[in-house]
Amino acid sequence: GAGVSQSPRYKVAKRGQDVALRCDPISGHVSLFWYQQALGQGPEFLTYFQNEAQLDKSGLPSDRFFAERPEGSVSTLKIQRTQQEDSAVYLCASSLGRANTGELFFGEGSRLTVL
Amino acid sequence: KQEVTQIPAALSVPEGENLVLNCSFTDSAIYNLQWFRQDPGKGLTSLLLIQSSQREQTSGRLNASLDKSSGRSTLYIAASQPGDSATYLCAVDTGRRALTFGSGTRLQVQP
Repeated sequence: GAGVSQSPRYKVAKRGQDVALRCDPISGHVSLFWYQQALGQGPEFLTYFQNEAQLDKSGLPSDRFFAERPEGSVSTLKIQRTQQEDSAVYLCASSLGRANTGELFFGEGSRLTVL
Repeated sequence: KQEVTQIPAALSVPEGENLVLNCSFTDSAIYNLQWFRQDPGKGLTSLLLIQSSQREQTSGRLNASLDKSSGRSTLYIAASQPGDSATYLCAVDTGRRALTFGSGTRLQVQP
C-alpha cells in the first residue's frame, strides 16, 4: 500500500480482556517499530523488527505485551489482560532499511481505551 | 539515558509570523535528529531529517538546525499559516534502534 496502515483505529476493551492490534507496513520495508503514545506525550518505543526477527523488545512494559511479525511484513501487537494504564495510542512505523538508516513512516495509530 | 525536551510546550501566534521551536537533548552521541508533525488523531509525518554530520536541513518554509555539541536543534517556520497548526515533535536516534521523542510543541496559528 501507499502508507502504513493500522487496524483497528479505535478499540474499547474491558479491563482484563485481550486485544490485538495490526500493522501493515509499506511494502518492502525491512524495519518495523511499535510505539506507545500517552495523551499529551511523545511516543515511547516498544519493540523493533528487522524483517521477521524481533531484535529489540526492551520497551515492552510487561510480559502482557507481545509482538510478532512472522513473515516479515504484517505485524501484530497483542496485549493480554488489559489494564487501564494500557490506554494509549499505539503507533506503528516502518522504514526501508535497517534501523538508524533513514526516514520513518508512521501509521495513524490504534487508540486503545481500557474501561 | 537520553532525554529530549521541547520548549515551549504550547505556542499561539497570528498568521504570518516567523517562529522558532526548540529541542534539546542530553546525550550528544546521536545518529540523526528528526522533526515530525502530528495532527489531532493522526499519526506522525516526517518533516525534516538531519544526519549527525549535517548542520541544517531546509524544506519549503521549514528550516531545521542541529548543534550536536550543545545538544540543541531548532525548527524555524517562516510566514506561518493556519494550516501549520499541529503538534511538532522532535526525536533523536541514538543507535538503539529506537527514537527518543520530546513531548512536543502544540502550535496554533490564528487567522
